[in-house]
This record gives sequence, C-alpha cells and structure tokens, in this order.
Amino acid sequence: EAQVTQNPRYLITVTGKKLTVTCSQNMNHEYMSWYRQDPGLGLRQIYYSMNVEVTDKGDVPEGYKVSRKEKRNFPLILESPSPNQTSLYFCASRAGTGTYEQYFGPGTRLTVT
Amino acid sequence: DAKTTQPNSMESNEEEPVHLPCNHSTISGTDYIHWYRQLPSQGPEYVIHGLTSNVNNRMASLAIAEDRKSSTLILHRATLRDAAVYYCILRDGDNQFYFGTGTSLTVIP
Repeated sequence: EAQVTQNPRYLITVTGKKLTVTCSQNMNHEYMSWYRQDPGLGLRQIYYSMNVEVTDKGDVPEGYKVSRKEKRNFPLILESPSPNQTSLYFCASRAGTGTYEQYFGPGTRLTVT
Repeated sequence: DAKTTQPNSMESNEEEPVHLPCNHSTISGTDYIHWYRQLPSQGPEYVIHGLTSNVNNRMASLAIAEDRKSSTLILHRATLRDAAVYYCILRDGDNQFYFGTGTSLTVIP
C-alpha cells in the first residue's frame, strides 16, 4: 500500500531533550515536506526537500533541522525542543517536478513541557 | 500575513451544491492555487488545483477569477462524507505551500 508513515504518532517530552520524528514514504517520491498545524493558524511549512541531499527552509524553520540522506526518509529533528513547538506535525511527499498531489502522513502530536 | 483568506465555517444541506470561497489578492503570476481537505484526525488530502483556467475533476470543480485574486471550490452535491476542513493554498515557484486557515464545512442531513 502506497503510504507516508510517521513515528511516533504521539510524543510527550521535556524542554531541551533532543528528539527525532521519522517520516518514510514507499512511493519513490522525490519531494518531501514537513508541516506543523496549530489552532487558528492552519498548516505551516517547516522544511522541504526536492531530492536527496537537497533541503530548503519553509515558512517556519526556526528550531528545526532535517536531513535527506535517502530518498524514502525525511526525519525532523528538534535539537532543543521548547514548549512553543508543541504542535501537530505532518510529513508529506509528492512525486516531483510537474506533479501536484501531496500525500500526507497521519500526523505526530508533540507536547513539550 | 496569510496569503489566502477563507471563511471560518460554512454549512450545506446534503445533496446540494457548495461553493467555498477563497481570497488571494497578493497572488503572483507563477503561484498555483491548490485545495486540500482534512477529515477529522487525518492528514490533508488533495482535492484540486489550477493556475488560470477553471478545472474539473471527479471530486470537485475549481473556478478561478479572471484576475486570479480569488477562487471558489465547488462541490456539486455535498454528502455527509464531505464534512471536513477545506484549505485554499498557494504554491509558489520555489515549491513552498502556503495554507490558509481553512473553512470547516458542515453537511446537514
């Protein structure tokens, strides 16, 4: 089944403790992206990647890191999480240039205390 | 400032058409207009997209104003399964996606 998977689905952590949210897609997509969703603000793009070893900042990249060492994986790293990063995070992928449909993962709800 | 603005909520009776408006007055010539919807407890899913011309697919139609400063998503016959939050989005030439805050659609049986 073609899908985007995220792990973990739920995470509660404390301020300053490094964490990684994994994202994987099995569709051989070139393009991957991370979003956060907050009440009243909709979804905002954090980082995106057009292909392996190519990443670009989105609208709200501060406090986040990403890497794209393999085509299928695009982990989101929070080196020192803070409470304002409490949010619902979505990973998405699409085939590549000229394509338009993004496929979203099920989301990761992160709480930073 | 948000690049798109949408009404917070709308209601429709089942099996009637629904017109969901979106304003994007600062759209640039290379921005695509996308619509996604999000069902409860799920990630968004693609509905439709366009650049200048009106578009139709199996899910919906997209009507784009001639000056491209607004667009309307049209669901031809709303069903209960269409109850969701609908997002109007601009995608720029750098492949950044700018979501609006969404319209929560309630379908009344």
